[in-house]
Amino acid sequence: GAGVSQSPRYKVAKRGQDVALRCDPISGHVSLFWYQQALGQGPEFLTYFQNEAQLDKSGLPSDRFFAERPEGSVSTLKIQRTQQEDSAVYLCASRRDGEKLFFGSGTQLSVL
Amino acid sequence: DAKTTQPTSMDCAEGRAANLPCNHSTISGNEYVYWYRQIHSQGPQYIIHGLKNNETNEMASLIITEDRKSSTLILPHATLRDTAVYYCIGEIQGAQKLVFGQGTRLTINP
Repeated sequence: GAGVSQSPRYKVAKRGQDVALRCDPISGHVSLFWYQQALGQGPEFLTYFQNEAQLDKSGLPSDRFFAERPEGSVSTLKIQRTQQEDSAVYLCASRRDGEKLFFGSGTQLSVL
Repeated sequence: DAKTTQPTSMDCAEGRAANLPCNHSTISGNEYVYWYRQIHSQGPQYIIHGLKNNETNEMASLIITEDRKSSTLILPHATLRDTAVYYCIGEIQGAQKLVFGQGTRLTINP
């Protein structure tokens, strides 16, 4: 595709629900990143994939957060038993090795 | 990754040059200086990067001091569409984690 695509664009969840956020990176991009951005703050690193391998998940805030990229392309970020503090914009980015990052427009998650 | 320090906010008049400073006194020799910007409701967008030489592209110029402890992003003729949050980041190329700070909120005034 022309850019990094994320879906859904907006997601409203009731507290306790599970959510799944999808990221379609640019074709051929080896590296994929997930970031969480709270209102008024800079993006905070969550996790990093190189192809299908999750090489760094140090930023995931709790074991309720899980990310996967089983075939080395599309990635899904899953949040179980959502809490109000999970409300944020979730950004996905991809790149070829060593090059600049391309970001999607993000998924805005609101937990009520 | 080097810690970077940027002013919280800046204003600039439309048509003038916007000069955004960044301090990165702990930057290591193999860390590049990257600039991204984020316009409201969008993901960050790459602007420019450099190691030690000044760089220019169609969007901006990057001036890095000789000691590499600071840099300045220059938007030569700012327009209203340049209103955004600008992030300065130190990164070893190919790093597995890009650390964003709070950035500078630049407002271009008509």
